[in-house]
Amino acid sequence: TQLLEQSPQFLSIQEGENLTVYCNSSSVFSSLQWYRQEPGEGPVLLVTVVTGGEVKKLKRLTFQFGDARKDSSLHITAAQPGDTGLYLCAGADASGTYKYIFGTGTRLKVLA
Amino acid sequence: DSGVTQTPKHLITATGQRVTLRCSPRSGDLSVYWYQQSLDQGLQFLIQYYNGEERAKGNILERFSAQQFPDLHSELNLSSLELGDSALYFCASSVEGGLAGQETQYFGPGTRLLVL
Repeated sequence: TQLLEQSPQFLSIQEGENLTVYCNSSSVFSSLQWYRQEPGEGPVLLVTVVTGGEVKKLKRLTFQFGDARKDSSLHITAAQPGDTGLYLCAGADASGTYKYIFGTGTRLKVLA
Repeated sequence: DSGVTQTPKHLITATGQRVTLRCSPRSGDLSVYWYQQSLDQGLQFLIQYYNGEERAKGNILERFSAQQFPDLHSELNLSSLELGDSALYFCASSVEGGLAGQETQYFGPGTRLLVL
């Protein structure tokens, strides 16, 4: 069974601080996606990383795919209250299926 | 607004009952996915349809079934409901429903089911 463990589960920080969220697995994924979900809404795709070692930046968010394609990280610089939400990673099975395996989620709260 | 609509938004029912959740995909999307999100299990993939045909199955219980109609809307039927079925149920859609990671899935706002 493929599992994606995210850490930390909960994070409460002050506006302006930096943070990193981790997504780890013992399985290899062909690609990995990061989503943000706000209360009362469905997840919204932030980024897809495909190549081992790939780094993508989205304004103050930096996403990295591990070299072995088993893990990923999301780094937020100078967090803002608008970054508050549930962050989910989702891996695509490397054996080539239609299924996504979602991580356990990191609930972030940024205090003004 | 993702363009995916789900009804109803909230549903309260009793154990043993049966409910139907409805999803309309984004215009032009041929594939629909159903997910269950609970506090202890996170977001779990249930089932995927592409142009009316089942394409992939996840952790869907035998008490649950789904279908995609010719107009591409989809319904998820949950029967013999148990307390543990209380969760958020999300529908997502994508254009072609290709291999995981190849496309963007657009999620609807979800249906919150409470089984008492």
